[in-house]
This record gives sequence, structure tokens and C-alpha cells, in this order.
Amino acid sequence: GENVEQHPSTLSVQEGDSAVIKCTYSDSASNYFPWYKQELGKRPQLIIDIRSNVGEKKDQRIAVTLNKTAKHFSLHITETQPEDSAVYFCAATDRQGAQKLVFGQGTRLTINP
Amino acid sequence: EPEVTQTPSHQVTQMGQEVILRCVPISNHLYFYWYRQILGQKVEFLVSFYNNEISEKSEIFDDQFSVERPDGSNFTLKIRSTKLEDSAMYFCASRPLTDTQYFGPGTRLTVL
Repeated sequence: GENVEQHPSTLSVQEGDSAVIKCTYSDSASNYFPWYKQELGKRPQLIIDIRSNVGEKKDQRIAVTLNKTAKHFSLHITETQPEDSAVYFCAATDRQGAQKLVFGQGTRLTINP
Repeated sequence: EPEVTQTPSHQVTQMGQEVILRCVPISNHLYFYWYRQILGQKVEFLVSFYNNEISEKSEIFDDQFSVERPDGSNFTLKIRSTKLEDSAMYFCASRPLTDTQYFGPGTRLTVL
């Protein structure tokens, strides 16, 4: 089955700077890679996703890149703001079975004012 | 915008007791999931449900767990005899034919 590794586990950046979170996956058949933001005690909220037929996707200050050959994908947040502080999870769809999501370990992002 | 809902938000129970966690998925969705998240850890898959039957389950989902979709709207997770290690946040998720899964707000289960 799929396995997803995520780095770093914690990340602290100055407000206005960029943040990058990286994930690798093991199953080359995986074709859907969402990113979720989770604030303390709340549900994971989808912030952006990418499918394996594209290499990059942008939505305002957030972008995701995918390298299928290397089996890694990254989240880029530019012009960070205090409200970006949260735990971010990457995930990959396990194509075997019911397309469950396999999550990375999470990155606690702190934006320092 | 429609959302997945879950009740209760917090459930406290004694070890050995049965609990039922309830979810109302988004109405036109076809696939339903339960995940759990132990405090400070990643989200883990428990079970998926499609066409009124379990389509996949993880090693965590042993005989103490069961799921049901008793009517057209509710999706429940039952834990027959809770253990201390069942304490976690339980998330329900649903999706249509496309890949995107939408998560509910979660039920925090505390087993004493």
C-alpha cells in the first residue's frame, strides 16, 4: 500500500516570508495529492490538490508542485500571514481499493509576526 | 455550501462501554470514510463504505468496530467495547465520484 513521508515536522517563518513543505510517496500508481490545513481542534480543511496529469497548480498565495518521476510533491505558501499558522497534512490516494487517503505526519507551521 | 456533520462533538465513556458516532455525509456523495487521529499524530484510515457495504478496512478496524448506513443520510461508527487506546478524534469524510474528500468536524472520544 501507499506510504507518505512529510518534512519538516515543524517550520517557523517570519511573516511575509515563504514556507515550503515537502512530501514523498511510495506508490507510483497514486494520482491524487491533496493538502489539508488543520487548526487546533478543527477538521482538516482542503486547501489545494493536484492530480498526476499536471506538474503545478496555484491558488493565490498557495501552490503545489508534483514530480512524478521522483514521487514527491510540495506545498508552497508565499507572503505568509499569521492566519497561516496551523498543522498542514499532505496525502496521497491509495489506488488499491477504495481510494482512501494516506496522510503524511503533518507539519506544524508557525508564522512569527 | 454543504458540509459533513458529526455528532456528538465530544463523547466521554467508560472502558468496555459501547459508543456510536454519527455522521451525516454530503447528500449526493457516494463514498464514505472513517478516519481517526490520536492526539498529536497523523490522520489514519479506518474504513471505507460504498454501495451499502465496506469496501476496505484497515488493521485498526477489528471486530470491535462496525459501520452502518441505516437510512439515506446517516453513517455510523460503532465501537462495541471501548479500550483506553480508542481515545482519539474520529473524522467522517465523504466524496462524490471525484477524488476530493470532505471531512466532518470530528468527534472527540475519551475513554476513561
